[in-house]
Amino acid sequence: TQLLEQSPQFLSIQEGENLTVYCNSSSVFSSLQWYRQEPGEGPVLLVTVVTGGEVKKLKRLTFQFGDARKDSSLHITAAQPGDTGLYLCAGGGWNAGNMLTFGGGTRLMVKP
Amino acid sequence: NAGVMQNPRHLVRRRGQEARLRCSPMKGHSHVYWYRQLPEEGLKFMVYLQKENIIDESGMPKERFSAEFPKEGPSILRIQQVVRGDSAAYFCASSPEDRGETGELFFGEGSRLTVL
Repeated sequence: TQLLEQSPQFLSIQEGENLTVYCNSSSVFSSLQWYRQEPGEGPVLLVTVVTGGEVKKLKRLTFQFGDARKDSSLHITAAQPGDTGLYLCAGGGWNAGNMLTFGGGTRLMVKP
Repeated sequence: NAGVMQNPRHLVRRRGQEARLRCSPMKGHSHVYWYRQLPEEGLKFMVYLQKENIIDESGMPKERFSAEFPKEGPSILRIQQVVRGDSAAYFCASSPEDRGETGELFFGEGSRLTVL
């Protein structure tokens, strides 16, 4: 079973601060996705990374896939209250077919 | 609304009753996935189905849980003889015929089951 661990589990910061959340595994993934989930809703895809060492930017969000394809990070610059939510990483394995394995999530709260 | 539709959004059952959760995938999607989410946790894979076929049910409890995706109509996740531990949000996601290794899963808004 491929497991993904996210840290921290909870993060509460002030508006304007920077933060980084991590997604780690002992398994290698063919791709890794980050989703954001707001209360009462389903997760929505933010980004997919597929190449070891890949860095993708989405406005104030920077995503990195580890060289060994076992880990990923999400960095948010100048966080805003609208960034509040549950951030989930999800890995696709070469043997997993269409299935995604999700991490436990990082619950972010950005206070005004 | 062309998104993934789940109903009911909220369902309350007493212990021992049955719960049926429905999911209509996005238009043109033929693959459906069911995930369970406990409070303050991530999503746990339950089952992956194509029309009339269960592809992977490795995350599904062996007893009381079943899923189907008939040729016509929505996918249904059925929980028999519910217990308090079944209380959770159940999310359905869909993808086109072949998500591949990088394709997106499109999620519904979830069905929240409360067992009294």
